[in-house]
Amino acid sequence: DTAVSQTPKYLVTQMGNDKSIKCEQNLGHDTMYWYKQDSKKFLKIMFSYNNKELIINETVPNRFSPKSPDKAHLNLHINSLELGDSAVYFCASSQARTTYEQYFGPGTRLTVT
Amino acid sequence: EDKVVQSPLSLVVHEGDTVTLNCSYEVTNFRSLLWYKQEKKAPTFLFMLTSSGIEKKSGRLSSILDKKELFSILNITATQTGDSAVYLCAGKETSGSRLTFGEGTQLTVNP
Repeated sequence: DTAVSQTPKYLVTQMGNDKSIKCEQNLGHDTMYWYKQDSKKFLKIMFSYNNKELIINETVPNRFSPKSPDKAHLNLHINSLELGDSAVYFCASSQARTTYEQYFGPGTRLTVT
Repeated sequence: EDKVVQSPLSLVVHEGDTVTLNCSYEVTNFRSLLWYKQEKKAPTFLFMLTSSGIEKKSGRLSSILDKKELFSILNITATQTGDSAVYLCAGKETSGSRLTFGEGTQLTVNP
């Protein structure tokens, strides 16, 4: 029944490790996104994919690599984790790129120690 | 760089009060202004405003956009404790799907 789901919900790991966060949407949407929400609650776009094609790639360290195996999934892999990567990461989807609202997943709280 | 500014950042009211949340934006190739409500987890969509001067309503919530003055307001009448949340506004550009979010207004409604 869940529209946009993410796993895991919580992730605690040490500096230098590599981790992945998975996102799936069952809404039949064409466009998916990754956002980072820091401690000040600002939501900032990181990446966007439209039908498996990368369309937004903000100024994000190249330790972050998104992968979209199909249009219902958008995963985020992070290499060599740093303390500053600690945040809540939200996945979102929208029906199309331009005219539609975005629906958010429950978030993954990443804590790097 | 695109910018969205919300005010106030924090607001504490009593149940039954009416509140107005403000959002001003500077978004290149602006298309729409979106409002979201964020409680503990995911932001949930409230409104998307594309045309100036047309009020959108959903129950006790309403919102309007002024594209000349580049701002939007979100009104909540007869507030309830369940309205306590962070309210986020975001500007959407025409050419793509990028949303630029404001910092949010933390609304606390006390019984």
